[in-house]
Amino acid sequence: DAGVIQSPRHEVTEMGQEVTLRCKPISGHDYLFWYRQTMMRGLELLIYFNNNVPIDDSGMPEDRFSAKMPNASFSTLKIQPSEPRDSAVYFCATGGSGNTIYFGEGSWLTVV
Amino acid sequence: GENVEQHPSTLSVQEGDSAVIKCTYSDSASNYFPWYKQELGKGPQLIIDIRSNVGEKKDQRIAVTLNKTAKHFSLHITETQPEDSAVYFCAASSSSGSARQLTFGSGTQLTVLP
Repeated sequence: DAGVIQSPRHEVTEMGQEVTLRCKPISGHDYLFWYRQTMMRGLELLIYFNNNVPIDDSGMPEDRFSAKMPNASFSTLKIQPSEPRDSAVYFCATGGSGNTIYFGEGSWLTVV
Repeated sequence: GENVEQHPSTLSVQEGDSAVIKCTYSDSASNYFPWYKQELGKGPQLIIDIRSNVGEKKDQRIAVTLNKTAKHFSLHITETQPEDSAVYFCAASSSSGSARQLTFGSGTQLTVLP
């Protein structure tokens, strides 16, 4: 299995621009999680889906952030408009019926 | 909600020595405790996990212990090697129905000195 696939791996964008991060989960996994990692706050759960349905989005920082999962093999995390404080590593992780979750390699976002 | 505390934040050991990282959790409903290793520029990788019906689990040089009464769990790495240098995260999880919560500790930067 190819594991969780994220794109882009690195993105540098200007403040105010829209950013879209993408995730392809491991086939058969029905849970998908979006995490953000910063030095100050560590690993924070932003939102997670079960069977393509958002279950808990209480970690989404504000309305500028949105996430979708239109089908079982694809999810996006969008930031519009982006701000410098959004600079972080964004991880997608997926899991099956057990508790174990597997992380992708992350999308490194820099907003200047 | 769940709160996971992890200590120490940094740990340096000589190659060949053992390393121990400790975590505590607050939610007695948590029943799954994974440990992740994160190398520079990469995503966290699961290295070992333990469930609440087990007190200890070993995998070669790595072991995890769980004390449910005290709400403590620890990672033990024996015969450390330079490639063990990384950031290690503990986590605690509970699940109910479709709900799935995994709360991470703040991480431990382990450095193995050659």
